[in-house]
Amino acid sequence: QQQVKQSPQSLIVQKGGISIINCAYENTAFDYFPWYQQFPGKGPALLIAIRPDVSEKKEGRFTISFNKSAKQFSLHIMDSQPGDSATYFCAANYNTDKLIFGTGTRLQVFP
Amino acid sequence: EPEVTQTPSHQVTQMGQEVILRCVPISNHLYFYWYRQILGQKVEFLVSFYNNEISEKSEIFDDQFSVERPDGSNFTLKIRSTKLEDSAMYFCASSSDSLGNQPQHFGDGTRLSIL
Repeated sequence: QQQVKQSPQSLIVQKGGISIINCAYENTAFDYFPWYQQFPGKGPALLIAIRPDVSEKKEGRFTISFNKSAKQFSLHIMDSQPGDSATYFCAANYNTDKLIFGTGTRLQVFP
Repeated sequence: EPEVTQTPSHQVTQMGQEVILRCVPISNHLYFYWYRQILGQKVEFLVSFYNNEISEKSEIFDDQFSVERPDGSNFTLKIRSTKLEDSAMYFCASSSDSLGNQPQHFGDGTRLSIL
């Protein structure tokens, strides 16, 4: 119930394409869903986050889509660039300060 | 932009030895956290710390682990008697408010290798 399942494990996208990473959760008490980006040798950096009262949030080329009834949320990266190549983690939280992370998706964007 | 700073970047220690990982959180932050990431696996919560006490800890954070804020700027994680399975990347994070209101900012981690 505390898990967040993330897919795919790895993703290869051409420059300019759309990258889509999906996450699913069981605990309906979760009320905060951030996405983190991690470059090799660096810590996770917050990219974008959403709460369940909205179905979509967009910041630049990054969009979170949230489906409360399906208990799923996804990250869409539009116009993917080689500089977006990194590992992406979804996470979830409820009523505590503990972030529960997904297993990560390694994104490679080729020119 | 203010950063969370962690030292050392890489620590190699013999099994059974004590190790202290150090973190300097962002200066006006009040909430502090440790997470770990075993190679190739997900990031796992260890402990949160607020107002000079542990506010939450995971089942990983057993009696071998302790945290301390020895002064106004440092936040440390001590592992009393290290085991091989403690080998991981350890991330410190801080936030200015609880997670519901402000995001957690992560340092670049300390790679702990137990021999």
